[in-house]
Amino acid sequence: DAGITQSPRHKVTETGTPVTLRCHQTENHRYMYWYRQDPGHGLRLIHYSYGVKDTDKGEVSDGYSVSRSKTEDFLLTLESATSSQTSVYFCAISDATSGGSQETQYFGPGTRLLVL
Amino acid sequence: GENVEQHPSTLSVQEGDSAVIKCTYSDSASNYFPWYKQELGKRPQLIIDIRSNVGEKKDQRIAVTLNKTAKHFSLHITETQPEDSAVYFCAASPQTALIFGKGTTLSVSS
Repeated sequence: DAGITQSPRHKVTETGTPVTLRCHQTENHRYMYWYRQDPGHGLRLIHYSYGVKDTDKGEVSDGYSVSRSKTEDFLLTLESATSSQTSVYFCAISDATSGGSQETQYFGPGTRLLVL
Repeated sequence: GENVEQHPSTLSVQEGDSAVIKCTYSDSASNYFPWYKQELGKRPQLIIDIRSNVGEKKDQRIAVTLNKTAKHFSLHITETQPEDSAVYFCAASPQTALIFGKGTTLSVSS
């Protein structure tokens, strides 16, 4: 597996609380992504980053924000968690030099988030 | 935007049979098509990919075919084994992201 870690791996929180998930890579890859995985929906892109401080929205970005202050770290924040954000969150990295998605994406181990 | 449809949603085969999973996409600009395998509780892992300038690619028991005119691509697994049981996802890449199909649960019984 590529050098990708996610923390925490499991989290239970209450509706309305802020939550931050961290993705850390040791591969020095330029692109980083956050997906959520829900039964019947596959993997859906939340946000992605194409460099330090360069981010863009994916198809399900409402209620989420991201930050990337260092190449190796990509943070996903739920400003005020809702039950609909209960999901498994995967980080992915890619070493593309342009386009971003046209190279292999390697996934982290995932974070299981339960919002009560 | 891009939309990827994947069929079937579930597939059951006997060990040694072949399995075929099909995906269609909508955006003609898509030019990269990976397939991921996800075992229960694990992360998705790339098993094979194909680019738009290639019609077919093979890696041992796994092959992928692409028909750009019809906008569909397929995963073929021959001589299936119980360890092939997993969820398989196709994806298409128009520009800046991978758009995934909803997955196919493959069960291989011995």
